[in-house]
Amino acid sequence: RKEVEQDPGPFNVPEGATVAFNCTYSNSASQSFFWYRQDCRKEPKLLMSVYSSGNEDGRFTAQLNRASQYISLLIRDSKLSDSATYLCVLYYGQNFVFGPGTRLSVLP
Amino acid sequence: GAVVSQHPSWVICKSGTSVKIECRSLDFQATTMFWYRQFPKQSLMLMATSNEGSKATYEQGVEKDKFLINHASLTLSTLTVTSAHPEDSSFYICSARPQQGYEQYFGPGTRLTVT
Repeated sequence: RKEVEQDPGPFNVPEGATVAFNCTYSNSASQSFFWYRQDCRKEPKLLMSVYSSGNEDGRFTAQLNRASQYISLLIRDSKLSDSATYLCVLYYGQNFVFGPGTRLSVLP
Repeated sequence: GAVVSQHPSWVICKSGTSVKIECRSLDFQATTMFWYRQFPKQSLMLMATSNEGSKATYEQGVEKDKFLINHASLTLSTLTVTSAHPEDSSFYICSARPQQGYEQYFGPGTRLTVT
């Protein structure tokens, strides 16, 4: 089993839609969790850290379930500019482990 | 804050030559920097972890004599691709982790093409 798995995608959604991505991880020692977004041919950019209590930043909500070892990202009222690949990232020890990413295309 | 720069952003070189890529944290000190490689339509692959003042830790399958990493200061790490070959053509991205916290911040990447 891979260390980090994500919804395979791609997700094609209309503007204004709500979309959710899931990420599961196998290492229970994982300490910190993040969502990054990566635009085509660009570097990943930190979208948000994920805390046990869940956290929200504008249209984005992240949830962490340690017992089930999964993380989710919810995007509400999606915009065209949300089109990107979303990467689930874990940190443990000194290692960052990246998921394969889920590609989102928001259509006009 | 938390800006990381890379230089050059784009380089074409001939097979057999060496290429040096610089990664700088501009507004914070980074004890740890990471070097990644990404091939088209694939995920980021960690190549090595670099700690200031010590030798880099390379991931399995990454040749340390081919990819030389120097982390000379808390704001600068360099990756030198020695004797580059066409199969080394890729997108090389560095990231830096501030001394406090677990987030990492990425440089804009260097697109290397070896002809």
